[in-house]
Amino acid sequence: GAVVSQHPSWVICKSGTSVKIECRSLDFQATTMFWYRQFPKQSLMLMATSNEGSKATYEQGVEKDKFLINHASLTLSTLTVTSAHPEDSSFYICSANPRGLYNEQFFGPGTRLTVL
Amino acid sequence: GEDVEQSLFLSVREGDSSVINCTYTDSSSTYLYWYKQEPGAGLQLLTYIFSNMDMKQDQRLTVLLNKKDKHLSLRIADTQTGDSAIYFCAYMDTGRRALTFGSGTRLQVQP
Repeated sequence: GAVVSQHPSWVICKSGTSVKIECRSLDFQATTMFWYRQFPKQSLMLMATSNEGSKATYEQGVEKDKFLINHASLTLSTLTVTSAHPEDSSFYICSANPRGLYNEQFFGPGTRLTVL
Repeated sequence: GEDVEQSLFLSVREGDSSVINCTYTDSSSTYLYWYKQEPGAGLQLLTYIFSNMDMKQDQRLTVLLNKKDKHLSLRIADTQTGDSAIYFCAYMDTGRRALTFGSGTRLQVQP
């Protein structure tokens, strides 16, 4: 149980295009999902917290107009990188708290984005 | 300084015990975690400990928490080559429920 999936697992796009990444909790409902970013050989940095049915809360320094987050249901959150640039190339990882189990956070396998 | 600090690298021989250390600054953290990340993959939750506990054991894994010194360690007994990975220490910010991670310790297990 407690499986989180991400799609796609990797994507290459041209500079200026937008890319959508999906995060799904497969066997549980998640009232809260989180989006992290990881640069090579570095730690994970929280980008935003996504609550079902409400606007995401972004961390300081993260542009909400560039990284659009939608949490439309209890099992799906999406991150859209708009007008992507090479500096947006990174590993994006989502995680989810099962409903009623806030102390456990399960991570997706990550999405590697490369912007040319 | 960083909120969570870990040494960058640890090398052990197969069959030995590994001890990965972590120090943190947030005294209000209620849960502390250890995650494992293999190359190109997401994070696997290994274990976590509540801040009012000193120790937690789960099969080959032993977590020790010294809350006074804000020091957390993960001991892996009988380390195997499959344990080679990056290990992240993290704590939960109870206000946001998000996790703050250390920089990760790369564990290399020599056959």
